[in-house]
Amino acid sequence: EVQLVESGGGLVQPGRSLKLSCAASGFTFSNYYMAWVRQAPKKGLEWVATISTSGSRTYYPDSVKGRFTISRDNAKSSLYLQMNSLKSEDTATYYCARHSGYPAYWGQGTLVTVSS
Amino acid sequence: DIQMTQSPPSLSASLGDKVTITCQASQNINKYIAWYQQKPGKAPRLLIRYTSTLESGTPSRFSGSGSGRDYSFSISNVESEDIASYYCLQYDNLNTFGAGTKLELK
Repeated sequence: EVQLVESGGGLVQPGRSLKLSCAASGFTFSNYYMAWVRQAPKKGLEWVATISTSGSRTYYPDSVKGRFTISRDNAKSSLYLQMNSLKSEDTATYYCARHSGYPAYWGQGTLVTVSS
Repeated sequence: DIQMTQSPPSLSASLGDKVTITCQASQNINKYIAWYQQKPGKAPRLLIRYTSTLESGTPSRFSGSGSGRDYSFSISNVESEDIASYYCLQYDNLNTFGAGTKLELK
């Protein structure tokens, strides 16, 4: 069974950094692209980042490009999202997802609140 | 960037009704559209990929169709467990979600 468990969320001040983690199990992690998707409170879904199997290719929307960095450790079956220069509009639940061009399997999410 | 215009934002239906949600892409997305269901407090669940291919476990009352820029998602015979929000996603060029449709009981 595919399992994705996010961690690392919490309350952070504007301008600060935070790193999210996602522990994967139940599949061969190194064979799949992975992604992060977020959802602001009571709002819709927004794709945040995607990473290739080896980690050599990464993709971001303009809203986070230059501030967020997706990475992975295939030996640890783990996905990460480094978020810098956080803004109030980054407040959201962040979901880790196994990606097949589209997010196919999702974790339960971790809440990030950016506030002073 | 590809934009996805999803409508309606909300929908009210009675049990047994058929409902339809549409998504229009800002350009041809070559049938690379997926549909998700999300219940309150839960992660989204993939229902349909590549316009009309049902994921394992997706009931047959769900269906999708379309081509080019225009796509639709339908639920025939709405059941109480279908009350949720639904999102389209294009994956022809990176990913873009539609704004979502909230399905409520009339």
